[in-house]
Amino acid sequence: AQRVTQPEKLLSVFKGAPVELKCNYSYSGSPELFWYVQYSRQRLQLLLRHISRESIKGFTADLNKGETSFHLKKPFAQEEDSAMYYCALAYNTDKLIFGTGTRLQVFP
Amino acid sequence: EPEVTQTPSHQVTQMGQEVILRCVPISNHLYFYWYRQILGQKVEFLVSFYNNEISEKSEIFDDQFSVERPDGSNFTLKIRSTKLEDSAMYFCANRDGAYNEQFFGPGTRLTVL
Repeated sequence: AQRVTQPEKLLSVFKGAPVELKCNYSYSGSPELFWYVQYSRQRLQLLLRHISRESIKGFTADLNKGETSFHLKKPFAQEEDSAMYYCALAYNTDKLIFGTGTRLQVFP
Repeated sequence: EPEVTQTPSHQVTQMGQEVILRCVPISNHLYFYWYRQILGQKVEFLVSFYNNEISEKSEIFDDQFSVERPDGSNFTLKIRSTKLEDSAMYFCANRDGAYNEQFFGPGTRLTVL
């Protein structure tokens, strides 16, 4: 069955510290993975998609098919990065299957 | 930049009542979705809609739920007879045909009493 797992509900770091938000997936086909972010009182918005291999707001994520992972990383966290982060898998290139989300708190 | 809008932002209803949640998608987007998020749980897929018909629906999307585009622009989710467990945030999303990025609305918080 298709599944996305985000093992951490909450990740707390100090400003300037590195951040890694974990995401593992289970999918029998060729996966297309995304990271969505939800800032306080705002809508879900796309942060990254694996096929574009880009860096947005200093965040990167690499698809590791061997480990079935798509961890989100940033070398130096900022206070404005505090938000909910959701990893999502596009199933049959259509509907999204979400993980449970990780709340990132960045302290000053 | 165009955005998806949803109305109302918050809907309170009595159990057994019908509710209609409305979404105005980004124009020229072709694929439409509803998701819901029960408080403290993950965002769950409900239904996808393309070319004026349902493409796929989840187990949650039972006979009490329906979707339509009544005027070619608005995209609605109707719950015929609400239950307490329908209380959740409901998100509308859509995408164009070129990319799989889905654009989300701000959500409607539905509270069933």
